[in-house]
Amino acid sequence: DTAVSQTPKYLVTQMGNDKSIKCEQNLGHDTMYWYKQDSKKFLKIMFSYNNKELIINETVPNRFSPKSPDKAHLNLHINSLELGDSAVYFCASSPQGLNTDTQYFGPGTRLTVL
Amino acid sequence: AQSVSQHNHHVILSEAASLELGCNYSYGGTVNLFWYVQYPGQHLQLLLKYFSGDPLVKGIKGFEAEFIKSKFSFNLRKPSVQWSDTAEYFCAVNAPLGSYIPTFGRGTSLIVHP
Repeated sequence: DTAVSQTPKYLVTQMGNDKSIKCEQNLGHDTMYWYKQDSKKFLKIMFSYNNKELIINETVPNRFSPKSPDKAHLNLHINSLELGDSAVYFCASSPQGLNTDTQYFGPGTRLTVL
Repeated sequence: AQSVSQHNHHVILSEAASLELGCNYSYGGTVNLFWYVQYPGQHLQLLLKYFSGDPLVKGIKGFEAEFIKSKFSFNLRKPSVQWSDTAEYFCAVNAPLGSYIPTFGRGTSLIVHP
């Protein structure tokens, strides 16, 4: 059973398009995250939700909008895609969002903007 | 703001060699420290973590890390690496800055030759 799953795994699209990445966790965790990993492998947090409530919103363009319909899902919608959005996007979850929590990662979505 | 430095970006070893990967962080208060590993084609997963107690932490697959507060370091070690240890290794810090923001280093790519 996959603990944290993301779809799609690969996404290739043109500049200016709008796209979404879906994330689901079946671990019963309260907290979910989105990370962006750039070409230099830096893994930077974008958003965090705890029980469907936004708790971390790092300096991210407002073209990026997370949506959490329930605590098992955290989707990422990106409007007006730009070349610089090309990266690997990782979803993760943790039990309670505590700073001692282990994070459980999804397989990543490789987004390529042409 | 907290930051994490992993000075070794690429490490190449032969099997049975000893491994030490450096991790330094910048935050003066209490921190929780993690090492995550990403094997080829797999998810990031926890290798080990420290949040209190014995500063020498043992993780899975024979890995260990030592928290040295005075040096702001949390180096990862393994006495004898195997080919199957080939992976990306990420150091991460969680500091209790209100809603904590997990900060990752840029990762170290380890290649072990059989």
